[in-house]
Amino acid sequence: EPEVTQTPSHQVTQMGQEVILRCVPISNHLYFYWYRQILGQKVEFLVSFYNNEISEKSEIFDDQFSVERPDGSNFTLKIRSTKLEDSAMYFCASSDRGQGHNEQFFGPGTRLTVL
Amino acid sequence: AQKVTQAQTEISVVEKEDVTLDCVYETRDTTYYLFWYKQPPSGELVFLIRRNSFDEQNEISGRYSWNFQKSTSSFNFTITASQVVDSAVYFCALRGGAGSYQLTFGKGTKLSVIP
Repeated sequence: EPEVTQTPSHQVTQMGQEVILRCVPISNHLYFYWYRQILGQKVEFLVSFYNNEISEKSEIFDDQFSVERPDGSNFTLKIRSTKLEDSAMYFCASSDRGQGHNEQFFGPGTRLTVL
Repeated sequence: AQKVTQAQTEISVVEKEDVTLDCVYETRDTTYYLFWYKQPPSGELVFLIRRNSFDEQNEISGRYSWNFQKSTSSFNFTITASQVVDSAVYFCALRGGAGSYQLTFGKGTKLSVIP
């Protein structure tokens, strides 16, 4: 069964460093998302992406964040200058269409630890 | 604004007991979509079910059943004859109608099934 994959599974970085989290969505999906989950808290939406542009973003997704689809398979989240409060699990998701009834399938997550 | 409330933070049951996880939502959209996701200890998010606002039929899938009550804005999840493998955090999520891509999650309910 096709699935969303994410690399790395765990990333440790120093405050102020740039990180890139990688995702490979399900191959025929057209809509891509990033969410984050601070330890023990709820999952929060960051951004959605379709047709090579951001379609929706939350207040969390400020200028420190960017997303890109550098090729036909990868979808990346970049954090330019990490802060301690960026430590969280980051989930990538994809759906085949953008309508509300289309479920989003999540990857296993990347745990980001900022020291 | 969308909101999902899962009032039960943690629940413990003995194996084979039935358990119901509560979910109450708020939205101004006339069309919306409700979801349940399971997050086992390994951390990934597993899609369980989607329900459309215009379809109030309850659904049963094996030991799982869902009760959607539009009048009380609730979408409760029942596990019958619980098993140790059901131990996980369960998230209820809401997605609005046209133009909205993001899932709004509740804070989750941690279910522990004791052998």
